[in-house]
Amino acid sequence: DAKTTQPPSMDCAEGRAANLPCNHSTISGNEYVYWYRQIHSQGPQYIIHGLKNNETNEMASLIITEDRKSSTLILPHATLRDTAVYYCIVREYGNKLVFGAGTILRVKS
Amino acid sequence: DSGVTQTPKHLITATGQRVTLRCSPRSGDLSVYWYQQSLDQGLQFLIQYYNGEERAKGNILERFSAQQFPDLHSELNLSSLELGDSALYFCASSLGQGTYEQYFGPGTRLTVT
Repeated sequence: DAKTTQPPSMDCAEGRAANLPCNHSTISGNEYVYWYRQIHSQGPQYIIHGLKNNETNEMASLIITEDRKSSTLILPHATLRDTAVYYCIVREYGNKLVFGAGTILRVKS
Repeated sequence: DSGVTQTPKHLITATGQRVTLRCSPRSGDLSVYWYQQSLDQGLQFLIQYYNGEERAKGNILERFSAQQFPDLHSELNLSSLELGDSALYFCASSLGQGTYEQYFGPGTRLTVT
């Protein structure tokens, strides 16, 4: 079973930052937080991952709280092409990705 | 483009039949994973191979089997197909076994009639 809780859907205006929250209150010390997204029925796309520290790459930023019980994925300037289902996943050093229901992000012009 | 290729894109077959789905991982990736996505079950992990050996099993039915060949491509075999096997089947690959990110292919859409 998925170990994360995400809101079912969110809306964001084009050009604004999209902040997607994720609760993972039972995360253990050796589990990473991963974010993937799936646009329509395409294959899921890796976005970013982190353990303790905040992370940033060309796609997004990941903010993890100090107690690691929650995190936020930030898309700094959302575009229409960012409309997708976003999955927050906690994952041990063991490879299997357990997908929950995710958050449907709708970016609107 | 993730670099992972899957064939065929679409497959329509009848109940009771057997099909084979093929996956070629990204160049250099040693791990291959198979996932099933159906409307009612969401994305579910089926099985993982690393350098030719099975490493992890998820909710894979006994009617399903997989293997990874010496050239690292993988095949997922589905037999005695049922209507409920209709789904998107994704293959993903990663460099190794650990925390490396997985890159997903475009998927094979299987329709069982």
